[in-house]
Amino acid sequence: RKEVEQDPGPFNVPEGATVAFNCTYSNSASQSFFWYRQDCRKEPKLLMSVYSSGNEDGRFTAQLNRASQYISLLIRDSKLSDSATYLCVVTYNAGNMLTFGGGTRLMVKP
Amino acid sequence: DTAVSQTPKYLVTQMGNDKSIKCEQNLGHDTMYWYKQDSKKFLKIMFSYNNKELIINETVPNRFSPKSPDKAHLNLHINSLELGDSAVYFCASSAVLRQVAAGMRETQYFGPGTRLLVL
Repeated sequence: RKEVEQDPGPFNVPEGATVAFNCTYSNSASQSFFWYRQDCRKEPKLLMSVYSSGNEDGRFTAQLNRASQYISLLIRDSKLSDSATYLCVVTYNAGNMLTFGGGTRLMVKP
Repeated sequence: DTAVSQTPKYLVTQMGNDKSIKCEQNLGHDTMYWYKQDSKKFLKIMFSYNNKELIINETVPNRFSPKSPDKAHLNLHINSLELGDSAVYFCASSAVLRQVAAGMRETQYFGPGTRLLVL
């Protein structure tokens, strides 16, 4: 079983739609949680951290459920520029070692 | 003014060759990393260095040898390249080892990647 699992997609949605991704992690000792974004043939970039109480950044909302060991990302009012792969990331130790999920591909169409 | 840079961007080579990839960061960060992203797009940590000292070495064949001449540079040397080494290699850096007690979260900044193809 992979340590961090995501539905690879692709999720094809029209502009303006709301879309949600989930991610599950296997290690209950996981400490920190993030969503990264990776555009085609580019490097991953931090989208947002995920806090226990849930957090929002503009059109993006992240939630963490420690009991069920899953993390979610909600994107409201999708834009064409949101098309990318969204990577769920977990850390387990103070060494800041990021463990990545396989990513969920989002394609926003006009 | 690229924050994390890698060279070369593309590397095509024959099996059995030895090659190096260089990484430099101008962010003043203490910690640097190497990741491998395979054809299935899974990103996996290979090594982590903090202030020139190796702190993470994830079951990577010993044909891979990282070298950190100073805390701004982390190079990756690969001996006897194999077909399975074909991947995109990303360097990253972050400010400090994350301090759990302090609740700090240090973002990792990634370089643009080096696309390695072994023929």
